[in-house]
Amino acid sequence: GENVEQHPSTLSVQEGDSAVIKCTYSDSASNYFPWYKQELGKGPQLIIDIRSNVGEKKDQRIAVTLNKTAKHFSLHITETQPEDSAVYFCAASRNSGNTPLVFGKGTRLSVIA
Amino acid sequence: DAMVIQNPRYQVTQFGKPVTLSCSQTLNHNVMYWYQQKSSQAPKLLFHYYDKDFNNEADTPDNFQSRRPNTSFCFLDIRSPGLGDAAMYLCATSPRQGQETQYFGPGTRLLVL
Repeated sequence: GENVEQHPSTLSVQEGDSAVIKCTYSDSASNYFPWYKQELGKGPQLIIDIRSNVGEKKDQRIAVTLNKTAKHFSLHITETQPEDSAVYFCAASRNSGNTPLVFGKGTRLSVIA
Repeated sequence: DAMVIQNPRYQVTQFGKPVTLSCSQTLNHNVMYWYQQKSSQAPKLLFHYYDKDFNNEADTPDNFQSRRPNTSFCFLDIRSPGLGDAAMYLCATSPRQGQETQYFGPGTRLLVL
């Protein structure tokens, strides 16, 4: 089955700097890669996703890149703000039947003002 | 606003006393999921419904059951909660299976005394 590795487990950056979180996946058939942000005491919220037919996607300060050959994808947050502090989860799934999302173990991002 | 609602947000139960958590959605999505999330870990899928078709993950304990009486509602029943079942329980929905965005509710935090 699919296995998703996520690094780093914790990340501290100064406000205004960029943050990068990386994930690798094992199943070459996976073709959907969402990123979720989870604030303390809340459910995960989708912040951006990418499908395997594109290599990069941007939404304001957030971007995701996908390298299908190397089976890795990354989340980039630019001009970080204190409200970006949260736990971020990457996930992967394939477009078939009952295959569920497989999550990485999460990255705790702290943005220091 | 269309959304995923979980009640209660906090639930305290006694060791061995059955407890039911509820989830409702106004998104009219076909798929509903239940996840267990322990502290500092990724969400772990327990089971999901594709419409009325129930899909149990292989490692979900028999102690956990689910009901989906209609499209909008889904329940998680824990027949005999143990101390190890204390966790955040997350409900999520998606329009279809496969590479579809999952929308999470705020979660119910279960405490077992």
